[in-house]
Amino acid sequence: AQTVTQSQPEMSVQEAETVTLSCTYDTSESNYYLFWYKQPPSRQMILVIRQEAYKQQNATENRFSVNFQKAAKSFSLKISDSQLGDTAMYFCAFTEGGSNYKLTFGKGTLLTVNP
Amino acid sequence: DSGVTQTPKHLITATGQRVTLRCSPRSGDLSVYWYQQSLDQGLQFLIQYYNGEERAKGNILERFSAQQFPDLHSELNLSSLELGDSALYFCASSVDYHRDRSNYGYTFGSGTRLTVV
Repeated sequence: AQTVTQSQPEMSVQEAETVTLSCTYDTSESNYYLFWYKQPPSRQMILVIRQEAYKQQNATENRFSVNFQKAAKSFSLKISDSQLGDTAMYFCAFTEGGSNYKLTFGKGTLLTVNP
Repeated sequence: DSGVTQTPKHLITATGQRVTLRCSPRSGDLSVYWYQQSLDQGLQFLIQYYNGEERAKGNILERFSAQQFPDLHSELNLSSLELGDSALYFCASSVDYHRDRSNYGYTFGSGTRLTVV
């Protein structure tokens, strides 16, 4: 079974600084997708960024980028120029490719951006 | 608006009762997933439907059941409710993998907050 581990339950960062959230996963599959979701106090689940395992290039979405290390099974999220609105719980998630499979989530990292 | 609609947004009910949560997936999405998020917990996968058929089951209690209808909306039925069933219940849908692999992903509804008193 696939597992997703987020080793940092909580993190904090000053506004405008950069922070990196860690995620590791375990799978024997070669075709899969990785995601980061943000859950602000409103509790809405918002997709931040996605990475397909076959793609070598790290995904980026504006201030958000990932460091995808396939051999190490690591998928970290870097948030640059942190903003107060980035305060949220961040979940790393994994799914197999090949068909429509469930998402498996890590336990989350609570990020607080301080003014 | 994510395109996934969940109703109701809030539900307060007594122990022992039965409730039904409803989810309408994004237009064109065939797959629906149900997740439970208890207080300070991550998201636990309950069950998945794909085009009307049950596809996968997670840690779903026997008191809970679900179905997906021909119009692709889904309902999650929770019965004999206990205090511990109080949680946020999310529905998500995904585009068909083989139709749109390059944009494959999951869209979540805003959730139903269930409080059992």
